[in-house]
Amino acid sequence: GENVEQHPSTLSVQEGDSAVIKCTYSDSASNYFPWYKQELGKRPQLIIDIRSNVGEKKDQRIAVTLNKTAKHFSLHITETQPEDSAVYFCAPPTSGTYKYIFGTGTRLKVLA
Amino acid sequence: DTGVSQDPRHKITKRGQNVTFRCDPISEHNRLYWYRQTLGQGPEFLTYFQNEAQLEKSRLLSDRFSAERPKGSFSTLEIQRTEQGDSAMYLCASSLSSAGGNYGYTFGSGTRLTVV
Repeated sequence: GENVEQHPSTLSVQEGDSAVIKCTYSDSASNYFPWYKQELGKRPQLIIDIRSNVGEKKDQRIAVTLNKTAKHFSLHITETQPEDSAVYFCAPPTSGTYKYIFGTGTRLKVLA
Repeated sequence: DTGVSQDPRHKITKRGQNVTFRCDPISEHNRLYWYRQTLGQGPEFLTYFQNEAQLEKSRLLSDRFSAERPKGSFSTLEIQRTEQGDSAMYLCASSLSSAGGNYGYTFGSGTRLTVV
């Protein structure tokens, strides 16, 4: 089925702290796991992705980790900055198709 | 080619009128997607194309919605007999394709529809 959940739904952190957002999916055949960032009034933008043959991927201050057994993947942001404030969406694909079902979103607020 | 283009950016229409939106994807991208997003929600899948073939249409989409991609390049989304509940941001996205491969989306800026 197509069931994607994100936790938490809102997250406030102090500037410089780390933030972690978790995405749980139900389709065990999913093999590609992206994260999107959407700033207020703007389009969603792909910020990092991981494929199922890799457990972790890092790009400067952001990283994604994957646990296929437990069917969840997480976005990690270190040394948060005010410009990281946005809504973050995970969007794993549905097996047998090339469409993505977006999660419920996590609103991250970085307090200066 | 600087990205995914959508036209118009904003559309205000009276209830019952028909509207049509256009999307020009990145030229190298074979897959094209339409999503709808309302305030505080994530993008909701509507339909997608591989080249000119429409491969899937959401079960949530009524018969008033139709999409085309006649030559496998730009796409149009038409909404007939608009209702107030159709008010939303309509997002187009495109992606690369390869046999068995998934790739991330590049989104356009969207068309904001307001039905009055």
